Amino acid sequence: SQKIEQNSEALNIQEGKTATLTCNYTNYSPAYLQWYRQDPGRGPVFLLLIRENEKEKRKERLKVTFDTTLKQSLFHITASQPADSATYLCALEGTGKLIFGQGTTLQVKP
Amino acid sequence: GAGVSQSPRYKVAKRGQDVALRCDPISGHVSLFWYQQALGQGPEFLTYFQNEAQLDKSGLPSDRFFAERPEGSVSTLKIQRTQQEDSAVYLCASSALAGGSDEQYFGPGTRLTVT
Repeated sequence: SQKIEQNSEALNIQEGKTATLTCNYTNYSPAYLQWYRQDPGRGPVFLLLIRENEKEKRKERLKVTFDTTLKQSLFHITASQPADSATYLCALEGTGKLIFGQGTTLQVKP
Repeated sequence: GAGVSQSPRYKVAKRGQDVALRCDPISGHVSLFWYQQALGQGPEFLTYFQNEAQLDKSGLPSDRFFAERPEGSVSTLKIQRTQQEDSAVYLCASSALAGGSDEQYFGPGTRLTVT
């Protein structure tokens, strides 16, 4: 069956460092992948979309890679700030709908 | 409106009661999705509308769950004879394009607690 895995443990880093979050999937060949941010008590907020023919995409301090051979996406936040603390969700396209991972909680300490 | 809105934000229901959750998507958005999110988990797909047509309801957990979008804008998710396992946050999302290949805009969710 289709499966998406994100780091289940929270990621704690120091302000100014680069945070790297991982999304692995199996039994999938998604046409695209999306990353969302979710704060407590709120709905997810779209960050980036990357297509299967794109290796990397950037937006300000954010960078996403998509390796369809490894079946993995990496999400990087450079020069991290305490305001980046949140849960980050990866989502893969699956027959016209999004299939979400369980999310990774990032805590950036000042 | 400025974004996706959902009401009520919180709902407490006694086991066996029926509930109705409302979603107001962004005006003009073609696609509307409902998700269920358990604590500490990612959103799980329930159902998808393209305009007024319900094209995918494969994620609805039982026949107690019913969704509609009669005029292609506002949508209602109804849960009949609620059970404790229905307790979760119900998220609604809309997107401008058909088919879910676009970024989705989420509402704040309705937190349902079944006692």
